[in-house]
Amino acid sequence: SQTIHQWPATLVQPVGSPLSLECTVEGTSNPNLYWYRQAAGRGLQLLFYSVGIGQISSEVPQNLSASRPQDRQFILSSKKLLLSDSGFYLCAWSIRADPGHHNEQFFGPGTRLTVL
Amino acid sequence: AQSVTQPDIHITVSEGASLELRCNYSYGATPYLFWYVQSPGQGLQLLLKYFSGDTLVQGIKGFEAEFKRSQSSFNLRKPSVHWSDAAEYFCAVGLLTGGGNKLTFGTGTQLKVEL
Repeated sequence: SQTIHQWPATLVQPVGSPLSLECTVEGTSNPNLYWYRQAAGRGLQLLFYSVGIGQISSEVPQNLSASRPQDRQFILSSKKLLLSDSGFYLCAWSIRADPGHHNEQFFGPGTRLTVL
Repeated sequence: AQSVTQPDIHITVSEGASLELRCNYSYGATPYLFWYVQSPGQGLQLLLKYFSGDTLVQGIKGFEAEFKRSQSSFNLRKPSVHWSDAAEYFCAVGLLTGGGNKLTFGTGTQLKVEL
Protein backbone atom coordinates (compact mmCIF):
# COMPACT_ATOMS: atom_id res chain seq x y z
CA SER A 1 0.00 0.00 0.00
CA GLN A 2 1.01 3.59 -0.48
CA THR A 3 2.03 5.89 2.34
CA ILE A 4 3.03 9.52 2.47
CA HIS A 5 5.32 11.02 5.06
CA GLN A 6 5.98 14.61 6.04
CA TRP A 7 8.48 16.04 8.43
CA PRO A 8 8.88 17.71 10.68
CA ALA A 9 5.41 17.55 12.22
CA THR A 10 5.79 20.95 13.86
CA LEU A 11 8.29 23.73 13.40
CA VAL A 12 8.82 27.12 15.01
CA GLN A 13 11.15 29.42 13.12
CA PRO A 14 12.17 33.07 13.46
CA VAL A 15 11.42 35.58 10.74
CA GLY A 16 14.20 35.65 8.18
CA SER A 17 15.36 32.09 8.77
CA PRO A 18 15.42 29.43 6.01
CA LEU A 19 12.89 26.63 5.65
CA SER A 20 12.95 23.10 4.36
CA LEU A 21 9.96 20.79 4.59
CA GLU A 22 10.18 17.32 3.19
CA CYS A 23 7.58 14.96 1.79
CA THR A 24 8.15 11.41 0.62
CA VAL A 25 5.81 8.84 -0.86
CA GLU A 26 6.21 5.09 -0.65
CA GLY A 27 4.58 2.30 -2.60
CA THR A 28 4.03 4.03 -5.91
CA SER A 29 6.03 5.31 -8.85
CA ASN A 30 5.76 8.46 -10.98
CA PRO A 31 3.23 10.15 -8.74
CA ASN A 32 1.99 13.68 -9.14
CA LEU A 33 3.00 15.61 -6.04
CA TYR A 34 1.43 18.70 -4.49
CA TRP A 35 2.11 21.24 -1.75
CA TYR A 36 -0.81 23.03 -0.10
CA ARG A 37 -0.98 25.64 2.64
CA GLN A 38 -3.87 25.91 5.03
CA ALA A 39 -4.04 29.15 6.97
CA ALA A 40 -6.07 29.33 10.18
CA GLY A 41 -9.79 29.25 9.45
CA ARG A 42 -9.32 29.05 5.70
CA GLY A 43 -9.39 26.42 3.03
CA LEU A 44 -6.48 24.85 1.25
CA GLN A 45 -4.42 26.82 -1.20
CA LEU A 46 -2.40 24.94 -3.79
CA LEU A 47 1.17 26.24 -3.79
CA PHE A 48 3.07 23.91 -6.14
CA TYR A 49 2.56 20.74 -8.06
CA SER A 50 4.92 18.42 -9.91
CA VAL A 51 4.32 15.82 -12.59
CA GLY A 52 7.91 14.55 -12.62
CA ILE A 53 11.47 14.94 -11.37
CA GLY A 54 12.60 18.52 -11.73
CA GLN A 55 9.20 19.64 -13.05
CA ILE A 56 7.60 22.20 -10.76
CA SER A 57 4.57 24.38 -11.40
CA SER A 58 3.94 27.31 -9.13
CA GLU A 59 0.39 28.39 -8.48
CA VAL A 60 0.87 31.62 -6.57
CA PRO A 61 3.74 34.11 -6.39
CA GLN A 62 5.25 33.92 -2.96
CA ASN A 63 8.25 33.59 -0.74
CA LEU A 64 8.45 29.83 -1.18
CA SER A 65 9.93 27.42 -3.70
CA ALA A 66 9.64 23.69 -4.32
CA SER A 67 11.93 21.04 -5.70
CA ARG A 68 11.61 17.40 -6.67
CA PRO A 69 15.09 15.86 -6.60
CA GLN A 70 13.80 12.28 -6.70
CA ASP A 71 10.67 10.64 -8.07
CA ARG A 72 9.00 10.30 -4.67
CA GLN A 73 10.49 13.25 -2.83
CA PHE A 74 9.06 16.74 -2.76
CA ILE A 75 10.67 19.59 -0.84
CA LEU A 76 9.24 22.98 0.10
CA SER A 77 11.80 25.68 0.83
CA SER A 78 12.27 29.30 1.66
CA LYS A 79 15.43 31.37 1.95
CA LYS A 80 13.89 33.88 4.38
CA LEU A 81 10.64 33.21 6.19
CA LEU A 82 7.98 35.87 6.65
CA LEU A 83 5.35 36.05 9.36
CA SER A 84 2.74 35.38 6.69
CA ASP A 85 4.33 32.01 5.93
CA SER A 86 2.85 30.58 9.13
CA GLY A 87 0.30 27.86 8.52
CA PHE A 88 -0.34 24.18 8.11
CA TYR A 89 1.48 22.70 5.12
CA LEU A 90 0.13 19.62 3.48
CA CYS A 91 1.76 17.42 0.90
CA ALA A 92 -0.36 15.22 -1.35
CA TRP A 93 0.13 12.72 -4.13
CA SER A 94 -2.01 11.27 -6.88
CA ILE A 95 -1.63 8.68 -9.57
CA ARG A 96 -0.79 10.29 -12.86
CA ALA A 97 -4.05 10.33 -14.79
CA ASP A 98 -4.69 9.67 -18.43
CA PRO A 99 -5.58 12.76 -20.47
CA GLY A 100 -9.16 13.79 -19.79
CA HIS A 101 -9.29 11.97 -16.48
CA HIS A 102 -8.72 12.92 -12.89
CA ASN A 103 -7.51 10.93 -9.91
CA GLU A 104 -8.04 11.66 -6.25
CA GLN A 105 -5.28 13.06 -4.11
CA PHE A 106 -3.99 11.47 -0.93
CA PHE A 107 -2.71 13.71 1.81
CA GLY A 108 0.11 13.51 4.30
CA PRO A 109 -0.23 14.33 8.00
CA GLY A 110 0.95 17.92 7.56
CA THR A 111 3.54 20.23 9.09
CA ARG A 112 2.50 23.03 11.45
CA LEU A 113 4.81 26.00 10.81
CA THR A 114 4.87 28.97 13.15
CA VAL A 115 7.00 31.94 12.19
CA LEU A 116 7.74 34.31 15.07
CA ALA B 1 -12.63 30.35 -13.25
CA GLN B 2 -13.57 27.36 -11.17
CA SER B 3 -14.74 27.80 -7.59
CA VAL B 4 -16.28 25.86 -4.74
CA THR B 5 -18.63 27.35 -2.18
CA GLN B 6 -19.43 25.83 1.16
CA PRO B 7 -21.98 28.27 2.56
CA ASP B 8 -22.01 26.90 6.10
CA ILE B 9 -18.87 27.71 8.08
CA HIS B 10 -20.08 25.96 11.23
CA ILE B 11 -22.80 23.37 11.77
CA THR B 12 -23.89 21.80 15.05
CA VAL B 13 -25.98 18.66 15.17
CA SER B 14 -27.00 16.27 17.90
CA GLU B 15 -25.62 12.77 17.89
CA GLY B 16 -27.99 10.50 16.03
CA ALA B 17 -29.46 13.31 13.96
CA SER B 18 -29.16 13.48 10.20
CA LEU B 19 -26.59 15.69 8.51
CA GLU B 20 -26.36 17.55 5.23
CA LEU B 21 -23.35 19.68 4.30
CA ARG B 22 -23.78 21.90 1.29
CA CYS B 23 -21.38 22.35 -1.59
CA ASN B 24 -21.85 24.34 -4.77
CA TYR B 25 -19.33 24.50 -7.56
CA SER B 26 -18.65 26.58 -10.60
CA TYR B 27 -16.84 24.82 -13.41
CA GLY B 28 -17.21 24.95 -17.16
CA ALA B 29 -16.93 21.23 -17.85
CA THR B 30 -18.17 18.02 -16.26
CA PRO B 31 -16.73 18.20 -12.79
CA TYR B 32 -14.77 15.70 -10.80
CA LEU B 33 -16.00 16.21 -7.24
CA PHE B 34 -14.64 15.16 -3.89
CA TRP B 35 -15.40 15.36 -0.20
CA TYR B 36 -12.55 15.23 2.30
CA VAL B 37 -12.59 15.22 6.10
CA GLN B 38 -9.92 16.68 8.37
CA SER B 39 -9.60 15.97 12.07
CA PRO B 40 -7.81 18.65 14.14
CA GLY B 41 -4.11 18.86 13.35
CA GLN B 42 -4.32 16.05 10.82
CA GLY B 43 -4.16 15.62 7.07
CA LEU B 44 -7.19 15.17 4.85
CA GLN B 45 -8.94 11.86 4.31
CA LEU B 46 -11.00 11.18 1.22
CA LEU B 47 -14.63 10.42 2.06
CA LEU B 48 -16.01 9.94 -1.44
CA LYS B 49 -15.69 11.06 -5.04
CA TYR B 50 -17.83 11.55 -8.11
CA PHE B 51 -16.37 11.09 -11.55
CA SER B 52 -19.33 9.94 -13.66
CA GLY B 53 -22.27 7.55 -13.66
CA ASP B 54 -24.67 7.19 -10.76
CA THR B 55 -25.20 10.62 -9.24
CA LEU B 56 -25.57 9.21 -5.72
CA VAL B 57 -22.21 8.07 -4.47
CA GLN B 58 -21.43 6.15 -1.33
CA GLY B 59 -18.35 6.78 0.72
CA ILE B 60 -16.63 5.65 3.85
CA LYS B 61 -17.98 6.06 7.39
CA GLY B 62 -21.60 5.93 6.20
CA PHE B 63 -21.45 9.13 4.17
CA GLU B 64 -23.05 9.68 0.79
CA ALA B 65 -23.27 12.58 -1.62
CA GLU B 66 -25.54 13.43 -4.52
CA PHE B 67 -24.41 15.23 -7.65
CA LYS B 68 -27.07 17.54 -9.06
CA ARG B 69 -25.92 19.11 -12.30
CA SER B 70 -28.94 21.43 -12.55
CA GLN B 71 -28.11 22.94 -9.17
CA SER B 72 -24.31 22.72 -9.49
CA SER B 73 -24.32 21.00 -6.12
CA PHE B 74 -22.65 18.06 -4.45
CA ASN B 75 -24.09 17.89 -0.95
CA LEU B 76 -22.78 15.47 1.63
CA ARG B 77 -25.22 13.53 3.80
CA LYS B 78 -25.25 11.08 6.66
CA PRO B 79 -28.45 9.61 8.13
CA SER B 80 -27.21 9.40 11.71
CA VAL B 81 -24.23 11.34 12.97
CA HIS B 82 -21.78 9.90 15.49
CA TRP B 83 -19.74 11.97 17.93
CA SER B 84 -16.59 10.84 16.10
CA ASP B 85 -17.81 12.65 12.97
CA ALA B 86 -16.90 16.00 14.53
CA ALA B 87 -14.29 17.43 12.17
CA GLU B 88 -13.88 19.85 9.29
CA TYR B 89 -15.25 18.87 5.92
CA PHE B 90 -13.98 20.11 2.58
CA CYS B 91 -15.59 19.89 -0.81
CA ALA B 92 -13.31 20.08 -3.84
CA VAL B 93 -13.54 20.15 -7.62
CA GLY B 94 -10.85 18.57 -9.75
CA LEU B 95 -9.39 20.39 -12.73
CA LEU B 96 -7.85 18.75 -15.76
CA THR B 97 -4.59 20.54 -16.46
CA GLY B 98 -2.40 18.41 -18.66
CA GLY B 99 -1.91 15.72 -16.06
CA GLY B 100 -1.51 18.01 -13.10
CA ASN B 101 -4.90 17.10 -11.69
CA LYS B 102 -5.29 20.16 -9.49
CA LEU B 103 -7.99 20.52 -6.87
CA THR B 104 -9.85 23.66 -5.89
CA PHE B 105 -11.19 23.45 -2.37
CA GLY B 106 -14.03 25.17 -0.59
CA THR B 107 -13.29 26.96 2.66
CA GLY B 108 -14.65 24.08 4.71
CA THR B 109 -17.50 23.39 7.13
CA GLN B 110 -16.69 22.77 10.77
CA LEU B 111 -19.02 20.13 12.21
CA LYS B 112 -19.71 19.98 15.92
CA VAL B 113 -21.64 17.06 17.37
CA GLU B 114 -23.55 17.50 20.60
CA LEU B 115 -23.97 14.47 22.79
